[in-house]
Amino acid sequence: QQQVKQSPQSLIVQKGGISIINCAYENTAFDYFPWYQQFPGKGPALLIAIRPDVSEKKEGRFTISFNKSAKQFSLHIMDSQPGDSATYFCAASRMDSSYKLIFGSGTRLLVRP
Amino acid sequence: EAGVTQSPTHLIKTRGQQVTLRCSPISGHTSVYWYQQALGLGLQFLLWYDEGEERNRGNFPPRFSGRQFPNYSSELNVNALELEDSALYLCASSRGTSGGTDTQYFGPGTRLTVL
Repeated sequence: QQQVKQSPQSLIVQKGGISIINCAYENTAFDYFPWYQQFPGKGPALLIAIRPDVSEKKEGRFTISFNKSAKQFSLHIMDSQPGDSATYFCAASRMDSSYKLIFGSGTRLLVRP
Repeated sequence: EAGVTQSPTHLIKTRGQQVTLRCSPISGHTSVYWYQQALGLGLQFLLWYDEGEERNRGNFPPRFSGRQFPNYSSELNVNALELEDSALYLCASSRGTSGGTDTQYFGPGTRLTVL
């Protein structure tokens, strides 16, 4: 019940295309869903996050879509660029002083020029 | 503002040895988290310290341990190293105000290779 399942494992998109990464969770108590971006040789960095009181959040070319009833959330990267090539991790947690952040297994995105 | 720093960058050890990894959080952050990232796998939560106390622990054997110092820096100790401990060990820090929903800022990691 604590897992966050992420797909696909890898993704290849042409420059200008839309990249879509999906995540599913089981624990209905989760109320915080961030996405982290990791470049080779670097630690992950927070990209965008959403709480379940909204169905969508957009920051520039990055959008999180959230479906509470299906217990799924996804990251959309519009107009994908070669510089977006990285590994993306979804995660989930809840507003609890001792609850850890649980990460998905990651998606390696390659954007071809 | 300096980010999270970790040392050493790389480490090579042999089976059965012990290793200590170090992490300095961002100034003003009181929470430190440790993760293991094995090749091709996601981030596996190891330990979480806040204000010097262990707040949560992942599903790892007791030979993985750590501590947080009064200046909020932290150490991760791994005893009796096994080959499968080879991984990137990531440290993250946060302000420690919102528990699991705090934004975590990651360091570059320590690459541990066990031969």
